[in-house]
Amino acid sequence: DAKTTQPNSMESNEEEPVHLPCNHSTISGTDYIHWYRQLPSQGPEYVIHGLTSNVNNRMASLAIAEDRKSSTLILHRATLRDAAVYYCILRLPGDNAGNMLTFGGGTRLMVKP
Amino acid sequence: DAGVTQSPTHLIKTRGQQVTLRCSPISGHKSVSWYQQVLGQGPQFIFQYYEKEERGRGNFPDRFSARQFPNYSSELNVNALLLGDSALYLCASSLVPGTSGYNEQFFGPGTRLTVL
Repeated sequence: DAKTTQPNSMESNEEEPVHLPCNHSTISGTDYIHWYRQLPSQGPEYVIHGLTSNVNNRMASLAIAEDRKSSTLILHRATLRDAAVYYCILRLPGDNAGNMLTFGGGTRLMVKP
Repeated sequence: DAGVTQSPTHLIKTRGQQVTLRCSPISGHKSVSWYQQVLGQGPQFIFQYYEKEERGRGNFPDRFSARQFPNYSSELNVNALLLGDSALYLCASSLVPGTSGYNEQFFGPGTRLTVL
C-alpha cells in the first residue's frame, strides 16, 4: 500500500489559517486521498477526500498537487475545537478496498488562543 | 439520529481472560469495521463485516474474532488476553463497503480495554 508522511505536530493560533501537509510520493493513479481527524477522547471523524482536483467542504479545503505526490489540508480559520490529530490516508476506490483505512501517525495540531 | 454506539465504555481484564466488545452501527448502515488503537498510535484495522460476512481482516492473531448479527450490530471477541491487547477498540460503520465513489466511515467513541 502507498504510504503517507506527515509532520508529527504543528501549532497554530486561533482564528488563523492552518496548512497541514501530507506527502504521498508512491501514490497510484487510482488512490483517493482522505483526511480524518481525531479529537481528544473521541473516535476519528471524516474531514474531506479528493482524487485530483482541489475540494472544499464546510470543514476544510483539500489542495492536491498536480503530480498528486503531496496534498495539503487547509483549515481556513482554526478554532480551539480544531485541536486534534489529523490523519492523511490513501485508499483505493471500489469493492477491492473494502472499508479498511490505513492510519499512520498523523499530525497533532495544537491551537493556541 | 444516534451515532455509532459501543459498549462497554471501559473494561479491565486480566491476562488470559476473554473479552467481548459490542457495537451498534448507525441505523441503515450495513457494514461494520473494527480498529485497535494503542496509546500514541493511529488506529489499526482488525476486521470488516458486511451482511454478516467477513470482508476484510487485518494483521491480527486468531485470538481476535468477530461476528455481525442480522440487525447489523457486531461483536469483537479477544481470547487469551495479553498485556499488549490494552488499547482503545473502535468500531466504524458505513452504508456499504467500498462501493464506487466514496463511502464515509463513522466511528464510535471506542471501548478502552485495560489488561492487567
